[in-house]
Amino acid sequence: DAGVTQSPTHLIKTRGQHVTLRCSPISGHKSVSWYQQVLGQGPQFIFQYYEKEERGRGNFPDRFSARQFPNYSSELNVNALLLGDSALYLCASLLTSSYNEQFFGPGTRLTVL
Amino acid sequence: LAKTTQPISMDSYEGQEVNITCSHNNIATNDYITWYQQFPSQGPRFIIQGYKTKVTNEVASLFIPADRKSSTLSLPRVSLSDTAVYYCLVVLDRSSNTGKLIFGQGTTLQVKP
Repeated sequence: DAGVTQSPTHLIKTRGQHVTLRCSPISGHKSVSWYQQVLGQGPQFIFQYYEKEERGRGNFPDRFSARQFPNYSSELNVNALLLGDSALYLCASLLTSSYNEQFFGPGTRLTVL
Repeated sequence: LAKTTQPISMDSYEGQEVNITCSHNNIATNDYITWYQQFPSQGPRFIIQGYKTKVTNEVASLFIPADRKSSTLSLPRVSLSDTAVYYCLVVLDRSSNTGKLIFGQGTTLQVKP
């Protein structure tokens, strides 16, 4: 079985632009969590989705949004990009909404210039 | 969720046993201690989880004293490929976790030849 996949692997944007990041969880997993990891820091929780519904939200501005599709894949959208949004964005796959062994993808490296 | 404290960095040599201690003074009755490993430019990977006493798997051992206010991750005979950041997390039991993991800065382990 394939692991968690994320696309694109790298992305360069300029301030004010919009970005969409994509994630496909492990087959059979119904929940996805998104994390932002700034260089030198641990990952910070952004969102969790389970069965297409938002189940948790971290302390991020409304410029960040996400959704989950019927096939359990997910998108993270960030509007009006700021320099501080430059980070590694990680997607984690969970079997259910309440399972704390999470399987992380390789991440998308976003650079905002 | 209980806050964790662990050393920022550690150095070791190939073949040595490495012990990383984590402090979690405010751990609650239903909390589990979980460790993740992260290599550069990759997502974190679940290593081990425990509630009390000792847990061992093919990768590591986790020692938890009776008061559960600290825990020690033990990596036997490390190799260069064990160079990574190790995160100690306290998570709610599986029945109530919302899929949100709280990462600290982690411990950067540098294994030298």
